[in-house]
Amino acid sequence: QKEVEQNSGPLSVPEGAIASLNCTYSDRGSQSFFWYRQYSGKSPELIMFIYSNGDKEDGRFTAQLNKASQYVSLLIRDSQPSDSATYLCAVTGGSYIPTFGRGTSLIVHP
Amino acid sequence: DVKVTQSSRYLVKRTGEKVFLECVQDMDHENMFWYRQDPGLGLRLIYFSYDVKMKEKGDIPEGYSVSREKKERFSLILESASTNQTSMYLCASAGANEQFFGPGTRLTVL
Repeated sequence: QKEVEQNSGPLSVPEGAIASLNCTYSDRGSQSFFWYRQYSGKSPELIMFIYSNGDKEDGRFTAQLNKASQYVSLLIRDSQPSDSATYLCAVTGGSYIPTFGRGTSLIVHP
Repeated sequence: DVKVTQSSRYLVKRTGEKVFLECVQDMDHENMFWYRQDPGLGLRLIYFSYDVKMKEKGDIPEGYSVSREKKERFSLILESASTNQTSMYLCASAGANEQFFGPGTRLTVL
């Protein structure tokens, strides 16, 4: 059974700080890693994907992947109240079917 | 700019009714998915399809069936709705390194 684990939170950070969200996965054959943002009452929205070890930056977001340690993280710099949402980690292996974590709730307070 | 649409945002049905949820994507993706999302349980895969007329069971297929007669359309059918099928239903369409969700259908079974 492939598993993706996330701390449910909530993770509370002040506005302007760096929010760090973490995800671990059990399947060593995992190949692609995704971060989704889900606002309350809305559907998930893909914000980043990564498939190589190291960092990938997109604006205020940085995804970090460490396959040896089987974790992937998402850093949000200069956090804004509008970043308050649940962040879902998803992992795919040889198949195209993603396994989702249950999400981490992020609260950015002014 | 709409990529994945679902037939209804909110739906109220009675126990025992047959329910159809429809999903349409405009990205020419081969892979489509139906999930349900419940508080504390995260996203759970009901069925997926990797081609027209092809379908595979996900983690919780009991009580559901699907139909994919055309590439762009994937339908979820509740043969006889029950109260424990009250949930948010999310359709998704996936290509390489991307998965887009529809807006979701919040189904209430009375």
